[in-house]
Amino acid sequence: DADVTQTPRNRITKTGKRIMLECSQTKGHDRMYWYRQDPGLGLRLIYYSFDVKDINKGEISDGYSVSRQAQAKFSLSLESAIPNQTALYFCATSKDVSSYNEQFFGPGTRLTVL
Amino acid sequence: GQQVMQIPQYQHVQEGEDFTTYCNSSTTLSNIQWYKQRPGGHPVFLIQLVKSGEVKKQKRLTFQFGEAKKNSSLHITATQTTDVGTYFCAGLGSGGSNYKLTFGKGTLLTVNP
Repeated sequence: DADVTQTPRNRITKTGKRIMLECSQTKGHDRMYWYRQDPGLGLRLIYYSFDVKDINKGEISDGYSVSRQAQAKFSLSLESAIPNQTALYFCATSKDVSSYNEQFFGPGTRLTVL
Repeated sequence: GQQVMQIPQYQHVQEGEDFTTYCNSSTTLSNIQWYKQRPGGHPVFLIQLVKSGEVKKQKRLTFQFGEAKKNSSLHITATQTTDVGTYFCAGLGSGGSNYKLTFGKGTLLTVNP
């Protein structure tokens, strides 16, 4: 969905480097999410945010941190990248308040840690 | 925590054959959503089921939500090459866990023309 953008789209880095993945949305949604996708493992939630400055851990938050300084932006950081963080990362958004809302995914960032 | 199991992991069919993927949750769900991810793409929302026993159709796709709201299925009639992709179910927990979706691992569908 063009309303949710991620940068960079591809990144190759080395073990120990700090990496930041950016997500921006123009949908006006309050809720934003970061997922990680590995072959055969589906989508696993890393962190999510229901509003600016609201941060919640997902099921696999170790080794990651996030920042939500504005409604439209949600960034994911790997403070010291390691090879098993090589994966496809998706940002997603959904509307506020109601639990019954679909999620809109960005195009993904393919990260390789050497 | 809540777990969502999805089977099969892979399914290869001849064009024109039917396809079904099944989703089972370890806990009762508030609702269940289905997403499709084309090869090289991102997940795209297909549908949401909320009511016990609910059945919804989208052209050749039929979605069902179990009576106990713990299982769901997606059935595609007469598959086409455009159906290729990975289908994910995602369950929204009830009660105190209703703030996030838990995704199944997905079923990769390939269609031989």
